[in-house]
Amino acid sequence: LAKTTQPISMDSYEGQEVNITCSHNNIATNDYITWYQQFPSQGPRFIIQGYKTKVTNEVASLFIPADRKSSTLSLPRVSLSDTAVYYCLVGLNTGFQKLVFGTGTRLLVSP
Amino acid sequence: NAGVTQTPKFQVLKTGQSMTLQCAQDMNHNSMYWYRQDPGMGLRLIYYSASEGTTDKGEVPNGYNVSRLNKREFSLRLESAAPSQTSVYFCASHIVGTQETQYFGPGTRLLVL
Repeated sequence: LAKTTQPISMDSYEGQEVNITCSHNNIATNDYITWYQQFPSQGPRFIIQGYKTKVTNEVASLFIPADRKSSTLSLPRVSLSDTAVYYCLVGLNTGFQKLVFGTGTRLLVSP
Repeated sequence: NAGVTQTPKFQVLKTGQSMTLQCAQDMNHNSMYWYRQDPGMGLRLIYYSASEGTTDKGEVPNGYNVSRLNKREFSLRLESAAPSQTSVYFCASHIVGTQETQYFGPGTRLLVL
């Protein structure tokens, strides 16, 4: 399973756009990139998943360059409720999933 | 549709005691997972069950056993609890063969004294 590297923590203010970059140099051809969000005292929750280029949903956007060795999660106009830990995972999106969680990025949004 | 449920929410054990953590899902998922999360850390896979009737070890299986009782339920047992097993335990489920991601339960906070 590909190892991922992401910043340990980030700070932002309400209303700003936040970009969290994840490095995954050893990503395999069939691997997808998935981001999960975890609030304190809760289980992780799926945010977004992509394979290449750009994916957007109602919560976030995911930018993946052509070489797929990194990806960037973009959260538009964050609010206090976006304070959480964000995990970048790389692996197959079908079949059995043995997810490998790193320590994630702790995002703190201030007023 | 409750998703993934876990019981108990919180438990205190003494070293050497045993207990079973329960997990159930009502989404007709075929694969289920148990993770542990230590303070400030990511989740680590303890055991998983790719389908009803099968179980396999994950990254940190020592000190644990599991039972896939049926398609809905997947329990995690600590036979002789140790302080090193103090952690938050999460159960998750997933539909194998689809693009569905894993759905996580609310967690069980376990303290072993």
